[in-house]
Amino acid sequence: QVTLRESGPALVKPTQTLTLTCTFSGFSLNTNGMCVTWVRQPPGKALEWLALVDWEDDKYYNTSLRTRLTISKDTFKNQVVLTVTDMDPVDTATYYCARVMMAAIDYWGQGTLVTVSS
Amino acid sequence: QLVLTQSPSASASLGASVNLTCTLSSGHSSYTIVWHQQQAEKGPRYLMKVHVDGSHSKADGVPDRFSGSSSGAERYLTISSLQSEDEADYYCQTWGTGVWVFGGGTKLTVL
Repeated sequence: QVTLRESGPALVKPTQTLTLTCTFSGFSLNTNGMCVTWVRQPPGKALEWLALVDWEDDKYYNTSLRTRLTISKDTFKNQVVLTVTDMDPVDTATYYCARVMMAAIDYWGQGTLVTVSS
Repeated sequence: QLVLTQSPSASASLGASVNLTCTLSSGHSSYTIVWHQQQAEKGPRYLMKVHVDGSHSKADGVPDRFSGSSSGAERYLTISSLQSEDEADYYCQTWGTGVWVFGGGTKLTVL
């Protein structure tokens, strides 16, 4: 059974760095074609792709946020970490991690709401 | 630039059928897309993959009422015998070289 769970702070202050962890089970990031991605959704708005790490440890980023994002994986812990620097109130959103199999998102975590406020 | 376009809203009556459309940007008409459903206050759920030839593969547990098809640069999600629980936001998603893209979503209202 594939599961993903996001964890991290619910509240961050402007200019701080957000660190989110995705802990997954039921698959391995060592498998050919397997990836984990992060997606966010501001309240009442659409989904926005952020970053992805693949089985070869190649990393891809949303170009508009590239300078603020870092994604990394720990295959032994079955975790993927996303950091977002210089947080702003417009970054308030529910952040999801998801499994990507052969380029398609096929399993989602439940999401974690992050609010940016002083 | 790889872009997916969806109508913001759609509505249909209980028991009726509805087609939701996702349009691929120029030059990307052969791309495979994925449909996701997001019910109110819930996370997204993967529904199916739709290919350029109209073939589709559904996730386990997705009712037979849901099907996918394709025509040119358009990818469709058809829901027949609409149920109240089908009221949700529906997002299409695709990928290119180093980029993953979502459409803006269609809010489906079941009347």
